[in-house]
This record gives sequence, C-alpha cells and structure tokens, in this order.
Amino acid sequence: GAVVSQHPSWVICKSGTSVKIECRSLDFQATTMFWYRQFPKQSLMLMATSNEGSKATYEQGVEKDKFLINHASLTLSTLTVTSAHPEDSSFYICSARGPVGKDEQYFGPGTRLTVT
Amino acid sequence: GNSVTQMEGPVTLSEEAFLTINCTYTATGYPSLFWYVQYPGEGLQLLLKATKADDKGSNKGFEATYRKETTSFHLEKGSVQVSDSAVYFCALSNGNQGGKLIFGQGTELSVKP
Repeated sequence: GAVVSQHPSWVICKSGTSVKIECRSLDFQATTMFWYRQFPKQSLMLMATSNEGSKATYEQGVEKDKFLINHASLTLSTLTVTSAHPEDSSFYICSARGPVGKDEQYFGPGTRLTVT
Repeated sequence: GNSVTQMEGPVTLSEEAFLTINCTYTATGYPSLFWYVQYPGEGLQLLLKATKADDKGSNKGFEATYRKETTSFHLEKGSVQVSDSAVYFCALSNGNQGGKLIFGQGTELSVKP
C-alpha cells in the first residue's frame, strides 16, 4: 500500500516551453502533497506544499509564478514548470502525506527534466 | 530553525563490514526522525523511523535510536551487503509544521564484494 506515481518519468523540452508533471497517490487519499527538487548528488529541497482544494504554500525563494502547483483532487497534484530554462533542469520528486494517523511521507519515483 | 546534518560521503565498505552513518539534528519541540534510502534510479523509500526519545527504529537489519540528549539518530547495520549500496537520507518532521520533512544532505554508501 501507499504507492505514489509520477508521470512522466523523464522529459526533454525546449527552452521557453512549459512542462506539466503529475503526482498521484494510487491507493490512498492525500490531502497534502509535497514537491521537491533534487540536484545531482545533493539533498532534496522542498519547493512547496500542496493542499487539496487550496493554494500551494511555497518555500522561500521558490517562484510561484514559475512553478505552478495544482492539487485538484485527493489523489492528484500537478507541477507545471512554465517558460522553462536550462537552469530548471533537475530531478523533481513529489511525496504524499500518509493516511490519517501516519506522519510518514510516501515518495514518487521522480521526474527527470532536461531543458535544452 | 530545524536542520539535519549527516556525515559526508561517499562511504565505501567491504561486504559484511559494520556501518554507521551519523546524523544529528536541531529542532524545537519533539520531532519525529526518519531514515530514507534511495537506490540507484529509484525514488526514496522509508527505511525506519522513531517518533519519541529513546525509541529504536529498525528494518532490514538497520537500526537507529532517537537520542534526545545528544540530538542524534545514527544509522547502524552490523553486516552490510552489496545490495545496501544506495544514498541514505536522515530527515525530521516537526509536528507544528504541517508534516514538512527536513532532509540531511544524504550519504552515499558503496559496498564492495
């Protein structure tokens, strides 16, 4: 149980275009999901907290107009990288907070974004 | 604020060697502590956790004890295997911050046969 999927697993896009990444909790409802960014051989940096039915809460230094987050249902959150640039190339990971009573997070496998 | 500091890697061990990866934390209140593992090409998986002082988390031969007096949560395994090669992340979650996880920088472990 507690499986989180991400789609796509990798994507290449041209500079200036937008890319949408989906994060789904497959077998549980997640009122809260998190989006992280991971650079090679580095730790995960929390970008934002996504709450179902409300606006995302962004961490300091993260541009909310560039990284659009939508959490339209209890099983789906999306991250859209708008007007992507090569410096946005990274590994993006989502996680979903576990069912009620569990303070764990369950992680998706990540999405590798390369902007050319 | 809250923070997690891990020993730097990479750590290279021979099979059946003893493993310790140090982790210390700074937090207000009483955080929950976690170890996550990231195998090559895969997402993070929860390895073990502890939610209060003196709790010991254990899984797959790995152990870590929540030490409030030393603010530590060191990961140990008595005999590592090649299949344990991965990146290990220590993390904390403070109950007053909506479930946010604060991660250490990760420690890469390579086990040689």
